[in-house]
Amino acid sequence: GQQVMQIPQYQHVQEGEDFTTYCNSSTTLSNIQWYKQRPGGHPVFLIQLVKSGEVKKQKRLTFQFGEAKKNSSLHITATQTTDVGTYFCAGGSWDNQGGKLIFGQGTELSVKP
Amino acid sequence: GAVVSQHPSWVICKSGTSVKIECRSLDFQATTMFWYRQFPKQSLMLMATSNEGSKATYEQGVEKDKFLINHASLTLSTLTVTSAHPEDSSFYICSARVRAGEGYTFGSGTRLTVV
Repeated sequence: GQQVMQIPQYQHVQEGEDFTTYCNSSTTLSNIQWYKQRPGGHPVFLIQLVKSGEVKKQKRLTFQFGEAKKNSSLHITATQTTDVGTYFCAGGSWDNQGGKLIFGQGTELSVKP
Repeated sequence: GAVVSQHPSWVICKSGTSVKIECRSLDFQATTMFWYRQFPKQSLMLMATSNEGSKATYEQGVEKDKFLINHASLTLSTLTVTSAHPEDSSFYICSARVRAGEGYTFGSGTRLTVV
């Protein structure tokens, strides 16, 4: 079945350093979404990418969708302590399956002040 | 923005009892609700897709008789863990979206502990 792999599993950075997490799907995706889950909280929607090669920015966050629509990345510039949490990518399949998403394993980001 | 209200936030129950978890879409109609299970430090595992007015679709390996899902209205979906056992202890969370093509709104989750 469809799988979405995400690396790294953990990332510890010093405040001000950059951070990147990568997602790879075993199949071509119709879209990819990114979520952030703070410790003890629930996932919060960040963004959705739909087009091949798409790049979107939200302040210090940059999201990319690969040309083949099988991979994606999230890059955070100059991390802050408020960026702490687990970042999940989630892929949607072409057959839609009612909008079902397959989540990656997540990357847990810790930021040392 | 869209809100999905999930209750209870946490519950402790005895082995063999049943627990019902509710998810309500407060300001939109959710024809579809997704139910996930999350173990500590792990990803969200989709358990089932709940559709208003019809039977839920369960993922492979999820026992439908153990995890009963009801989606009786456009704003309410429930998950009942029947005859709970300690291995059912987990974080259960629901999600829905306002319209196709948008991101999902998650409930705040329910931490179930079976003793």
